[in-house]
Amino acid sequence: DIQLTQSPSFLSASVGDRVTITCRASQGIGSYLAWYQQKPGKAPKLLIYVASTLQSGVPSRFSGSGSGTEFTLTISSLQPEDFATYYCRQNTFGQGTKLEIK
Amino acid sequence: QVQLVQSGSELKKPGASVKVSCKASGYTFGTYAMNWVRQAPGQGLEWMGWINAYTGHPTYAQGFTGRFVFSLDMSASTAYLQINSLTAEDTAVYYCARDRDGGFDYWGQGTLVTVSS
Repeated sequence: DIQLTQSPSFLSASVGDRVTITCRASQGIGSYLAWYQQKPGKAPKLLIYVASTLQSGVPSRFSGSGSGTEFTLTISSLQPEDFATYYCRQNTFGQGTKLEIK
Repeated sequence: QVQLVQSGSELKKPGASVKVSCKASGYTFGTYAMNWVRQAPGQGLEWMGWINAYTGHPTYAQGFTGRFVFSLDMSASTAYLQINSLTAEDTAVYYCARDRDGGFDYWGQGTLVTVSS
């Protein structure tokens, strides 16, 4: 089975920072990867699918890239509402990256 | 508008069964696969598998075979997750989620299943 490993697991950043989260797959998965944001007590929210397609209604400061085994989610300028946990997924989910306010 | 509305919280004893429902509205039910995702307290997301909402054929992820059953009532646009022989380790929030092009674009609100004697 394909394993997804996210890095880092925890990230401390400030409003206005540019942050990047990486998701590595144990074998090539083409572009079949999605990114989700989850806030405490809420259902996850789709941000990006097929690696780089921005879901409708998601702010353009979010972007995704990559193919094969390495993927990234970038937030160009962190806003207060972006502090949450982020997951990548291709069938299985990555372990998550918790983004906290510095 | 698209909505997935799940049934309410459940408290069950070990060894019992539970059936969680996910009622879809706002789209043609059979057009999109329905997935199930588990989240244990304080833990990450686990993909449990999916059901083809047109054919009713289920596919279970590793670790979710045997005690877990996905089903549909197409006439009611409703998907179901049944878990048999519950243990404390099944205590979690269970989500249904619609699959579009590999992304889960709509999610239910989650159903908390608590297993305790």
